[in-house]
Amino acid sequence: SSELTQDPAVSVALGQTVRITCQGDSLRDYYASWFQQNPGQAPVLVIYGNNNRPSGIPDRFSGSRSGDTASLTITGAQAEDEADYYCSSRDSSNNHVLFGGGTKLAVL
Amino acid sequence: QVQLQESGPGLVKPSETLSLTCTVSGGPTSAYAWNWIRQPPGKGLEWIAYIYDSGNTNYNPSLKSRLSISRDPSKNQFSLKLSSVTAGDTAIYYCARGYFGSGLYYYYYMDVWGKGTTVTVS
Repeated sequence: SSELTQDPAVSVALGQTVRITCQGDSLRDYYASWFQQNPGQAPVLVIYGNNNRPSGIPDRFSGSRSGDTASLTITGAQAEDEADYYCSSRDSSNNHVLFGGGTKLAVL
Repeated sequence: QVQLQESGPGLVKPSETLSLTCTVSGGPTSAYAWNWIRQPPGKGLEWIAYIYDSGNTNYNPSLKSRLSISRDPSKNQFSLKLSSVTAGDTAIYYCARGYFGSGLYYYYYMDVWGKGTTVTVS
């Protein structure tokens, strides 16, 4: 299958740790990348490759992988982390870019 | 730093062709894949296509029959044409820079995005 599956919604208490997962066959070959999207704004890359963060992304964001599942972990979630998160990778059989359906994160 | 700017009509009539351009400024275009992504109102991200400076392209199979992308390296621009549009093509359209690499595993990420342009089919 060339799909990426994410939980539609996840919640976390302020200051606690939350893990957002992304599952798909393409992740056996590819690292996932992760995007944060706030309402009315373009997506922002937060994790890429083997747990790399672009400049300006707080180190409370981290990424990991196991088999066909990738995870984005936010350690010590802040109110400003409330947003939609999307995973992405590529299908190694046809090089099509894939997006997960997105996870809406609520920080309580 | 590299910036991307989408441009094009905000309103397109059904059955007509949607045409958008992305202008790249502040950096080179070689070695990257230049992507189009869209997001219908209230929905998730959908990859449309990408093009390399070499001209190599890759299209979302669900849109391929209506889709054409091209680039003009002399202007640092790449363009999208989507024909026979319907209300289902109403979305925010983004362009983004993609990079492919490999290590223990492959990786492909889009690190620079335009602000997006809203296209309504009506």
